[in-house]
Amino acid sequence: QKEVEQDPGPLSVPEGAIVSLNCTYSNSAFQYFMWYRQYSRKGPELLMYTYSSGNKEDGRFTAQVDKSSKYISLFIRDSQPSDSATYLCAMSASKAAGNKLTFGGGTRVLVKP
Amino acid sequence: DGGITQSPKYLFRKEGQNVTLSCEQNLNHDAMYWYRQDPGQGLRLIYYSQIVNDFQKGDIAEGYSVSREKKESFPLTVTSAQKNPTAFYLCASSPRGDRPPDGYTFGSGTRLTVV
Repeated sequence: QKEVEQDPGPLSVPEGAIVSLNCTYSNSAFQYFMWYRQYSRKGPELLMYTYSSGNKEDGRFTAQVDKSSKYISLFIRDSQPSDSATYLCAMSASKAAGNKLTFGGGTRVLVKP
Repeated sequence: DGGITQSPKYLFRKEGQNVTLSCEQNLNHDAMYWYRQDPGQGLRLIYYSQIVNDFQKGDIAEGYSVSREKKESFPLTVTSAQKNPTAFYLCASSPRGDRPPDGYTFGSGTRLTVV
């Protein structure tokens, strides 16, 4: 079993809909949680970063962490065709920078005009 | 502009050859990483380095080698011992220190194909 599980999709939604993405994990030591967006043939870019449990909002993006359930979510409101990409969750157990991240397999999202 | 530069974008390797992927950063980051990405498997860590002249194996280091002679550079060699090298390779860097791991910056990747 993988340490971090993520549905590969594709997830297809109409423009303007809410996109809901999630990851489950097994390592209870994870305390730093990140969501990355990756366009085709490009490197990932950081979208959201959350420490421990709770919600965080940034524009159209909301990240939620439920450590008791070992479950994290990313919501994208008012989705646009430009949101079509692969979304990767990533986690880390240590506060020290330079610590390796554990990634989910990514969910491919298609937003149709 | 600060960032990470990976070259080449596309690389073709014949079976039995070693090839070296370049990664250079001008962000003054101490830590650098190499990840491999295969379809549906996310990113898997090959090697990482937190300081010049020091590096550690990641989860899938077999068949790969690295060096860190300069802070700005972290080249990855894919050796002939790597049985399935066709993949997308991503280099990343982050600041070192007692900080949360939100400072990762990725390069644009190198797509390696064995022919």
